[in-house]
Amino acid sequence: EVQLVESGGGLVQPGGSLRLSCAASGFTFNTYWMSWVRQAPGKGLEWVANINQDGSKKYYVDSVKGRFTISRDNAKNSLFLQMISLRAEDTAVYYCAREPHLVVAATEQGGGWFDPWGQGTLVTVSS
Amino acid sequence: QSALTQPASVSGSPGQSITISCTGTSSDVGGYNYVSWYQHHPGKAPKLMIYDVSKRPSGVSNRFSGSKSGNTASLTISGLQAEDEADYYCNSYTSRSTYVFGTGTEVTVL
Repeated sequence: EVQLVESGGGLVQPGGSLRLSCAASGFTFNTYWMSWVRQAPGKGLEWVANINQDGSKKYYVDSVKGRFTISRDNAKNSLFLQMISLRAEDTAVYYCAREPHLVVAATEQGGGWFDPWGQGTLVTVSS
Repeated sequence: QSALTQPASVSGSPGQSITISCTGTSSDVGGYNYVSWYQHHPGKAPKLMIYDVSKRPSGVSNRFSGSKSGNTASLTISGLQAEDEADYYCNSYTSRSTYVFGTGTEVTVL
């Protein structure tokens, strides 16, 4: 069974740091892009960042650039999100998601989708 | 990176069909066939319903279908059932190699 389990959330003061982890199982982790998506209380889903199979490509939503860093450890089937200079508006449930991309004629397509998702971990930024 | 525009709420009676729209720009929805849709019950993990505009993952009911015209994508739920009551989000790949979600639509089964 494909499974993603997030951890590392909690209460942190504004300006503080936190590192989220996502443990993957049930699939060949190093063959998939991976993403982080968040949902602030009462708000919609927001894509945060993604990383390709070997970690050589990383993309971020503008609001977290320079403050968040996505990384992965393929040997440990794990995805990470290092968050610094946290703000109140970063308060959210953070989900990790596998990001499959269609392969056509042995060429991976640029865009993908998110499936499955973990259950999420809550990050609260407050004094 | 503005969110894609979805109606805040859509409702229908059991057995009816409803359609949720998702409007973006030529830099996202209109420029790529990488539109996906997610069903989200509060407190649970979001679930993929449609990918690549109109493809349905195995295990998803064929009552769910997707399409796209220009800068607007659509999700249609036919034969509406009580279990379909949830929040639905569209998502698109963008010209900046990032992704953007829609504003979300609350589906109510009357």
